[in-house]
Amino acid sequence: EAQVTQNPRYLITVTGKKLTVTCSQNMNHEYMSWYRQDPGLGLRQIYYSMNVEVTDKGDVPEGYKVSRKEKRNFPLILESPSPNQTSLYFCASSPGQGVEAPGQPQHFGDGTRLSIL
Amino acid sequence: ELKVEQNPLFLSMQEGKNYTIYCNYSTTSDRLYWYRQDPGKSLESLFVLLSNGAVKQEGRLMASLDTKARLSTLHITAAVHDLSATYFCAVLQTNFGNEKLTFGTGTRLTIIP
Repeated sequence: EAQVTQNPRYLITVTGKKLTVTCSQNMNHEYMSWYRQDPGLGLRQIYYSMNVEVTDKGDVPEGYKVSRKEKRNFPLILESPSPNQTSLYFCASSPGQGVEAPGQPQHFGDGTRLSIL
Repeated sequence: ELKVEQNPLFLSMQEGKNYTIYCNYSTTSDRLYWYRQDPGKSLESLFVLLSNGAVKQEGRLMASLDTKARLSTLHITAAVHDLSATYFCAVLQTNFGNEKLTFGTGTRLTIIP
């Protein structure tokens, strides 16, 4: 089954304790992205990756890091989490918007609810 | 900066009725998507609208796109309880390989028996 898998689904932690949220897709997608969802703000892009070793900032990258060492994995790293990073996080992937696959929607993981105390 | 506005934010409607959710966006876009989100769940892709005048239908939902007016609509026909969810429109902009989706704030739809 084609899917985007995030772990953990839920995490409560304390300020300053480094954490990693993993994201893995089994569709051989080139493009992957992280979003955070906050009430009244919709989803906002944190980081994205066009392919292995190619990553860049989205709209709200402060306090986050990512890496793309393998095509299937795109972990989100919070080096020193703070309470304002309490949110619902989604990883997404797509084959890319090339001519071969125009308009393919991004596939989303089930989400990770982070609470930073 | 692209802005995407959805309305209404909340919609409570009776089963069997028709209604429309509106999605306005501020600048030229490459694509427009509609997603559905159930409480505690991920986002499920409903429609992909690729060009002006595009119309897609699936069951009781129909989506359309007017790129000149920068407006998309999601029309619900003869609503049933199973359609209760939050619906998002999202506008795609591609820029040097980034496929950035800018989402509306969502419309929480509640269907009342």
